[in-house]
Amino acid sequence: QKEVEQNSGPLSVPEGAIASLNCTYSDRGSQSFFWYRQYSGKSPELIMSIYSNGDKEDGRFTAQLNKASQYVSLLIRDSQPSDSATYLCAVPHSGGYQKVTFGTGTKLQVIP
Amino acid sequence: NAGVTQTPKFQVLKTGQSMTLQCAQDMNHNSMYWYRQDPGMGLRLIYYSASEGTTDKGEVPNGYNVSRLNKREFSLRLESAAPSQTSVYFCASSEVLVTDTQYFGPGTRLTVL
Repeated sequence: QKEVEQNSGPLSVPEGAIASLNCTYSDRGSQSFFWYRQYSGKSPELIMSIYSNGDKEDGRFTAQLNKASQYVSLLIRDSQPSDSATYLCAVPHSGGYQKVTFGTGTKLQVIP
Repeated sequence: NAGVTQTPKFQVLKTGQSMTLQCAQDMNHNSMYWYRQDPGMGLRLIYYSASEGTTDKGEVPNGYNVSRLNKREFSLRLESAAPSQTSVYFCASSEVLVTDTQYFGPGTRLTVL
């Protein structure tokens, strides 16, 4: 099992729809979780971080965390063509090994 | 406030050549990282520096060396480049190690022929 798994996509949604991106992780002790957005040819940039079970909302973005089921998701409401990018889930290790594992990312395409 | 800067942006090397990738941050962050990104592999940690004066291996350190020159600068050296090191290299920094937002530089596209 990969440490952090994401569906590579592409996930295609029409403009204005809700895009749902999922991530599962294997380290049960992980306490913090990050979503980064990466446009083609650019570097990753932080979209959301979440530390507690439940939902965290920031504008059109909502991160959802379920530690018992070991998954974290990102919802994008009212999707725009400018949201077309690859979304990376990142999970720091809980043990002594200081490392963040990044998923391979889900490519989102928002169709006008 | 430039954030994280990297030089060069592009580089082509021949097998066996050496080079140093430079990274600097102006956010007064303690921790810095070097990643490589390959298609289908995601971001993989090469080396990291928890604080000035310390460096540690990540998951793919073979063929690389690093220097944390001061709090601002963290360089990555390829001593004898190999085609397998063709990749996009990102430097990143964060206030504290690992459990904090990482800020990425623009990346260096390296091709080894």
